[in-house]
Amino acid sequence: DAKTTQPNSMESNEEEPVHLPCNHSTISGTDYIHWYRQLPSQGPEYVIHGLTSNVNNRMASLAIAEDRKSSTLILHRATLRDAAVYYCILRSGATNKLIFGTGTLLAVQP
Amino acid sequence: NAGVTQTPKFQVLKTGQSMTLQCAQDMNHEYMSWYRQDPGMGLRLIHYSVGAGITDQGEVPNGYNVSRSTTEDFPLRLLSAAPSQTSVYFCASSLRVGGPGELFFGEGSRLTVL
Repeated sequence: DAKTTQPNSMESNEEEPVHLPCNHSTISGTDYIHWYRQLPSQGPEYVIHGLTSNVNNRMASLAIAEDRKSSTLILHRATLRDAAVYYCILRSGATNKLIFGTGTLLAVQP
Repeated sequence: NAGVTQTPKFQVLKTGQSMTLQCAQDMNHEYMSWYRQDPGMGLRLIHYSVGAGITDQGEVPNGYNVSRSTTEDFPLRLLSAAPSQTSVYFCASSLRVGGPGELFFGEGSRLTVL
């Protein structure tokens, strides 16, 4: 199973954009790039996913490198409620297995 | 719409006892899975299922059994609980096998083994 690498932690100020990076150099052609976040004492929550093209939804944007070996989750205006652990995960399109890494702990300062 | 429901939310066991964590989804999802999360760590995949009657092992399957007799239910059985199985367990499901598939998670079951 392909792995992802994320920084352990990041900080942001409220109302500012946040760019969360993820490296996945061993990604295969059928792997989807998923992002989930986990608030304290809660289960993970889906944020966004993509395959090759950049994606936008009401929560965030996902920018995928042309070679697909890295991606960036963009929160356009961080709020205090965005403080969470963010997981970048590769999901096999063949098996549906979704293997989590350790994620990035995002702290948002008022 | 209940989504993914896990029971119980909290459980304390003694070493050697057995128990079953229940997971049910009402969204007609094909894919279901179980994860465990230890303090300060990410989630690790225990077992998963791509449909009724089909199960497979994840990263950390030892000490756990699963079955998928119906589309809706995916129970996780601890055969002989050990302190190393103290963890928070999450059940997750997605609509279909293959394709991108957003995963929906339950609220978690916190298990303590003494």
